[in-house]
Amino acid sequence: GEDVEQSLFLSVREGDSSVINCTYTDSSSTYLYWYKQEPGAGLQLLTYIFSNMDMKQDQRLTVLLNKKDKHLSLRIADTQTGDSAIYFCAELNTGGFKTIFGAGTRLFVKA
Amino acid sequence: KAGVTQTPRYLIKTRGQQVTLSCSPISGHRSVSWYQQTPGQGLQFLFEYFSETQRNKGNFPGRFSGRQFSNSRSEMNVSTLELGDSALYLCASSHYSVPGQGHSGANVLTFGAGSRLTVL
Repeated sequence: GEDVEQSLFLSVREGDSSVINCTYTDSSSTYLYWYKQEPGAGLQLLTYIFSNMDMKQDQRLTVLLNKKDKHLSLRIADTQTGDSAIYFCAELNTGGFKTIFGAGTRLFVKA
Repeated sequence: KAGVTQTPRYLIKTRGQQVTLSCSPISGHRSVSWYQQTPGQGLQFLFEYFSETQRNKGNFPGRFSGRQFSNSRSEMNVSTLELGDSALYLCASSHYSVPGQGHSGANVLTFGAGSRLTVL
């Protein structure tokens, strides 16, 4: 089956690190993604990782992939109030030409 | 370059009516995907089109349909609207053509701002 699960809420203090976790079920997924949605807007891509990689770092963002456990995480270092948004984990269903999204994790950053 | 444009941004309909939503992809993108976003269900995949062909369809009733034109613009239609159809409908475009083919195989989606449909 195809399913992506992530926790719904996360609250952190400004300056701390945020870690958003996600699990997926499709072992044949080739790409996994993190998208961000701000109020009143569509989603925008933050980063993606190819399934043969374990880690990808991009400035304040670190993505870790544990393919054995089908677990993906996004770490945001030095979280700022501007990072408050909904973060979506997603996987590419290669044969189905579709990207499957989780329900989204709402990140609250307290000043 | 211009982003993904969705029209209308907001609309209110009553039960039983039908609605057509439009999506203009980024120039050069031939793949267009549609999603329904609701607070309880997150993003649910509706369908994906590439070069006027529907390559996949999500688990939605036949009241939901779509099409893509030769210029890659896409429309989706919902007939006989129900209260539960109230949602944000998101369109996304990409270069996605063949799986696993480099960056284009990664299917990076560029989303529009969405069309918010309220059914009364």
